[in-house]
Amino acid sequence: DTEVTQTPKHLVMGMTNKKSLKCEQHMGHRAMYWYKQKAKKPPELMFVYSYEKLSINESVPSRFSPECPNSSLLNLHLHALQPEDSALYLCASSHGAAANYGYTFGSGTRLTVV
Amino acid sequence: GIQVEQSPPDLILQEGANSTLRCNFSDSVNNLQWFHQNPWGQLINLFYIPSGTKQNGRLSATTVATERYSLLYISSSQTTDSGVYFCAVRGGTSYGKLTFGQGTILTVHP
Repeated sequence: DTEVTQTPKHLVMGMTNKKSLKCEQHMGHRAMYWYKQKAKKPPELMFVYSYEKLSINESVPSRFSPECPNSSLLNLHLHALQPEDSALYLCASSHGAAANYGYTFGSGTRLTVV
Repeated sequence: GIQVEQSPPDLILQEGANSTLRCNFSDSVNNLQWFHQNPWGQLINLFYIPSGTKQNGRLSATTVATERYSLLYISSSQTTDSGVYFCAVRGGTSYGKLTFGQGTILTVHP
């Protein structure tokens, strides 16, 4: 299995809703990442998990709450989002955050906040 | 942090044409990848190439790490090659963080 699987593919949520994005990989990778991509822009890093511990938070607002329950699974919990948070959310994994290995990205969740 | 510049920003081709995309980076890197983002948003890894030359079918890439640039060659382009091509790098001090260039938007007409 050489894939990173993200669910759901599309999500529409209101500003008062709570929702979660899910990411799963079975490649034995020990680093997992959340990236955010706005239209016509490159992806930007949000969070890095290494060995199930949060190691980087790129000053992301607290309405985004990441969680890594085990080495294969990464969640992003969403609460009280704003319309400007609408974007493509990409999950990625690699053998290690400090290792010289390539990153594998999932197909993303396209989020719309109304 | 490390800076990544891609050129050209836009490229329009007729099917069958060849093209070269360029990526310049501002510091030494230990990870460089080329991705193709399809219209549905998926980032497809084309090459992991921090140095040297690799080929995969009609695509090939070369990274000259000492001169801080990488090139992606697309030969005999097809309409399915359309999309955005990103170069992304990680420098030695950039723990975990892959920094992307602004991308090259490629449109291949039949």
